Amino acid sequence: EAQVTQNPRYLITVTGKKLTVTCSQNMNHEYMSWYRQDPGLGLRQIYYSMNVEVTDKGDVPEGYKVSRKEKRNFPLILESPSPNQTSLYFCASSLPGQARREQYFGPGTRLTVT
Amino acid sequence: GQQVMQIPQYQHVQEGEDFTTYCNSSTTLSNIQWYKQRPGGHPVFLIQLVKSGEVKKQKRLTFQFGEAKKNSSLHITATQTTDVGTYFCAGTNAGGTSYGKLTFGQGTILTVHP
Repeated sequence: EAQVTQNPRYLITVTGKKLTVTCSQNMNHEYMSWYRQDPGLGLRQIYYSMNVEVTDKGDVPEGYKVSRKEKRNFPLILESPSPNQTSLYFCASSLPGQARREQYFGPGTRLTVT
Repeated sequence: GQQVMQIPQYQHVQEGEDFTTYCNSSTTLSNIQWYKQRPGGHPVFLIQLVKSGEVKKQKRLTFQFGEAKKNSSLHITATQTTDVGTYFCAGTNAGGTSYGKLTFGQGTILTVHP
């Protein structure tokens, strides 16, 4: 089944404790992206990757890191999480290397930072 | 930077009434996409519009892209309880090199009373 998977689905952590949210897709998509969703603000793009080893900032990249060493994986790293990063995070992928294609979203990761 | 405003933020309708959500961009878009997110779920792609003045229909849903490619609308005729959810528009900027950036509107939360 074609899908985007994220892990973990739920995470409660404390300020400053490094964490990684994994994202994997099995559709051979070149483009992958991370979004955060907050009430009243919609989805805001954090980082995106046009292809392996090619990443770029979205609208809200501060406090986040990403890497794209393999085509299927695009982990989101929070080196020192803060409470304002409490949010619902979505990973998405699409063909072929642009945002101008249908985005397939993962199930989401709900992160709480205390 | 590019901003995409979506109104209304909330819409409550009786089953059978029509519903419309509007999307306005501060810049000219190369394309616009629409997504639906059911409560507790992830965004799911509905449609993409590319041409100026384009109109597309999917059963009871009608999507329009403005002549200037700066605004769009989604109209649902005779809503059903299955239409409940949040509807998002998302666009990429025309021109430039930010092909990976996708900007979402804030979303319209639709509730349908049976």
